[in-house]
Amino acid sequence: KQEVTQIPAALSVPEGENLVLNCSFTDSAIYNLQWFRQDPGKGLTSLLLIQSSQREQTSGRLNASLDKSSGRSTLYIAASQPGDSATYLCAVRPAGGSEKLVFGKGTKLTVNP
Amino acid sequence: SQTIHQWPATLVQPVGSPLSLECTVEGTSNPNLYWYRQAAGRGLQLLFYSVGIGQISSEVPQNLSASRPQDRQFILSSKKLLLSDSGFYLCAWSALPQAEKLFFGSGTQLSVL
Repeated sequence: KQEVTQIPAALSVPEGENLVLNCSFTDSAIYNLQWFRQDPGKGLTSLLLIQSSQREQTSGRLNASLDKSSGRSTLYIAASQPGDSATYLCAVRPAGGSEKLVFGKGTKLTVNP
Repeated sequence: SQTIHQWPATLVQPVGSPLSLECTVEGTSNPNLYWYRQAAGRGLQLLFYSVGIGQISSEVPQNLSASRPQDRQFILSSKKLLLSDSGFYLCAWSALPQAEKLFFGSGTQLSVL
């Protein structure tokens, strides 16, 4: 059974700092992995999607990497800003065409001005 | 461009009352549609998904049901709500094939009292 873990559950950093959020999964047989952002009381916004054959994806100040063999992904946020404060979730889609994404519980990020 | 609409944003219902949450997608055809629930302190749980009109797959046996009467309409229902049905309900869609990103609605906060 695929399980996704995100550590730490919460992180507080000063503005301008570069930071890394971690995501680990127990079964390396995945189709892809997505990182999402969720603001309080809102839906999820897809940030980056990495296919199983890819090593990383970049969008602006965000860079997500994937090491499928070790069951790890990281989301790197450069030059953090207070507007980056949100909960970040990762989700894996198991291989074999499953419709069921398996989500982690998220990391709540606070960027202090 | 594609948009997803979900309503209502908040709902307070007494135990034993019925429920109907509606979700519609615009700007795409034949989307995959999903209902997720996010309970406090827990990850997202997939409740139902649909790959076409009238095709519903249930992931978790429970007090809820889903229907897809039209291509871009997805409805979550209950005949009698339980206290344990409280949570944040999210509708989502993705384009075929499964390698695509998942896009979420803004969510419905349901409180059953």
